Amino acid sequence: NAGVMQNPRHLVRRRGQEARLRCSPMKGHSHVYWYRQLPEEGLKFMVYLQKENIIDESGMPKERFSAEFPKEGPSILRIQQVVRGDSAAYFCASSSLRDHQETQYFGPGTRLLVL
Amino acid sequence: GDSVTQMEGPVTLSEEAFLTINCTYTATGYPSLFWYVQYPGEGLQLLLKATKADDKGSNKGFEATYRKETTSFHLEKGSVQVSDSAVYFCALSVTGNQFYFGTGTSLTVIP
Repeated sequence: NAGVMQNPRHLVRRRGQEARLRCSPMKGHSHVYWYRQLPEEGLKFMVYLQKENIIDESGMPKERFSAEFPKEGPSILRIQQVVRGDSAAYFCASSSLRDHQETQYFGPGTRLLVL
Repeated sequence: GDSVTQMEGPVTLSEEAFLTINCTYTATGYPSLFWYVQYPGEGLQLLLKATKADDKGSNKGFEATYRKETTSFHLEKGSVQVSDSAVYFCALSVTGNQFYFGTGTSLTVIP
């Protein structure tokens, strides 16, 4: 049973380019969460999605960031016109139920470097 | 709001020493509490969890007890190994929408 998969593992972009980060949840999981980890900091929640729906995006920056989880395919976190401050590790997690007792399982992360 | 405060690091211990990493929380509801471990260059792995007061989570020799009266969930291990070197994150979840993480405590175990 494959775990949460993320790709690419490392991504380098120049300022102003777009970054697309992909996340495939664990088999049987229909809930996806995106977190950002800045250097020397903990993880900060960004967005929670179910298939074709954004449930909670309270942690998403208002501009340049968007997320989707289509009916088919992986969840995508998209960052437009990247800036150096976007450099971070972006982690995706998945769970099977909207239940606080349900564990979130994390992927290996995508490390974004903006030059 | 909901939040987690954990002991700042870094922590350096000799092999077989006793480990405690403190974690306290603030929550508006009845949270579930978690400890995650992150090895260099990897994602977070669930280490243990507790879903209600007085529950004890345990795994790989690590333990943590959910203490409602002190709003704490301290991580302990009686005898650490070099392979335990990693960053440890305390986290809570109330609604299941999101987890709130502490800033992480880096542990280095020296032979």
